[in-house]
Amino acid sequence: GAGVSQTPSNKVTEKGKYVELRCDPISGHTALYWYRQSLGQGPEFLIYFQGTGAADDSGLPNDRFFAVRPEGSVSTLKIQRTERGDSAMYLCASSLHTTGELFFGEGSRLTVL
Amino acid sequence: GQNIDQPTEMTATEGAIVQINCTYQTSGFNGLFWYQQHAGEAPTFLSYNVLDGLEEKGRFSSFLSRSKGYSYLLLKELQMKDSASYLCAVRAPGGFKTIFGAGTRLFVKA
Repeated sequence: GAGVSQTPSNKVTEKGKYVELRCDPISGHTALYWYRQSLGQGPEFLIYFQGTGAADDSGLPNDRFFAVRPEGSVSTLKIQRTERGDSAMYLCASSLHTTGELFFGEGSRLTVL
Repeated sequence: GQNIDQPTEMTATEGAIVQINCTYQTSGFNGLFWYQQHAGEAPTFLSYNVLDGLEEKGRFSSFLSRSKGYSYLLLKELQMKDSASYLCAVRAPGGFKTIFGAGTRLFVKA
């Protein structure tokens, strides 16, 4: 597809469960970002990848959160032992190395009951 | 650390001009972005400033003063569809980490 694709668009889970959120960036974009956004707030930086490696993961809130991008394209954000406070919209974005403009996906809305 | 401040809400009238301010205190600077986000949708890129001055793009203009840590987004000839959140974002040096402010919700009334 032409844009950033995220799946699932909605995920409802129970407290303590494991969740995976997937992001398929725009073809050829080397940088990939994960953000978390709560209602009425701006996107909160979690992690970004340059190619396959995590260039900066300083925004991951704790060790329950982990992200991978094994082949430099698709990325998966993994959340272990989910808590109700993890409920938010998780946004993925990608960018070309040279411009830095972020192209966002439609997001994955996570609800932890 | 990074701190980005924007007004929480603004209201303006259709056809008017509105200026949305953003101030930032960051450990390093490598460009400032403005994004628009309609309710329930993803943010979309509006503008990018890395040097001081005004960048104009149609009805939207963005200004940057690096010495003052200050930017504004100017929207002219407001339309109802401009009702949205406007996000100021700063990119850190040495890479592409981009930090967002909380956003300014703009309400355009008839």
